[in-house]
Amino acid sequence: AQSVTQLDSQVPVFEEAPVELRCNYSSSVSVYLFWYVQYPNQGLQLLLKYLSGSTLVKGINGFEAEFNKSQTSFHLRKPSVHISDTAEYFCAVSRVQGAQKLVFGQGTRLTINP
Amino acid sequence: GAGVSQSPSNKVTEKGKDVELRCDPISGHTALYWYRQRLGQGLEFLIYFQGNSAPDKSGLPSDRFSAERTGESVSTLTIQRTQQEDSAVYLCASSQSGTSTDTQYFGPGTRLTVL
Repeated sequence: AQSVTQLDSQVPVFEEAPVELRCNYSSSVSVYLFWYVQYPNQGLQLLLKYLSGSTLVKGINGFEAEFNKSQTSFHLRKPSVHISDTAEYFCAVSRVQGAQKLVFGQGTRLTINP
Repeated sequence: GAGVSQSPSNKVTEKGKDVELRCDPISGHTALYWYRQRLGQGLEFLIYFQGNSAPDKSGLPSDRFSAERTGESVSTLTIQRTQQEDSAVYLCASSQSGTSTDTQYFGPGTRLTVL
């Protein structure tokens, strides 16, 4: 079975500051990794995903994440945040083999203060 | 709009009643997923449909939960004899092929409140 831990339930930052949202996973089999974002009153939207190749993955809205296999981590970063980045962020994994049944972390609420 | 749609957006019901939640996937998507999001928690996988194959029901929490999908179109999630612990947001997602590299597109969800 797979599990995902998002280490921070809430992260407040000031506008234009950098941010890192932490994600660790556990799995006995190979997995793909995903970050989804849920803006207020909207559905989940894919930010980025790691399938293979370069461990640094770039996504939409200036976000990027780095896959670290030895530390089983997939932390999300942005060098300078905007008010519009206020949202809930979910890290997820799925097995490489078979259907994409996503296993999600509990989410991190990112709040940007002016 | 070409996104995933769900109805109703909100449903309030009394304990013991049955409820039906509907999902309209993106046209042409063969795979459809249902998830549940309880307050303060991540999403939990419930059930997966892929084309005409038998659904993967491994995430359904009890036999009170069932789902159907007509071909590659609409899906209905039914909860019988609802309990207060069923209160959650139920999310539907669809993807083009259902493979592990695919992108799932989520609907806005149905918020279910069981009194």
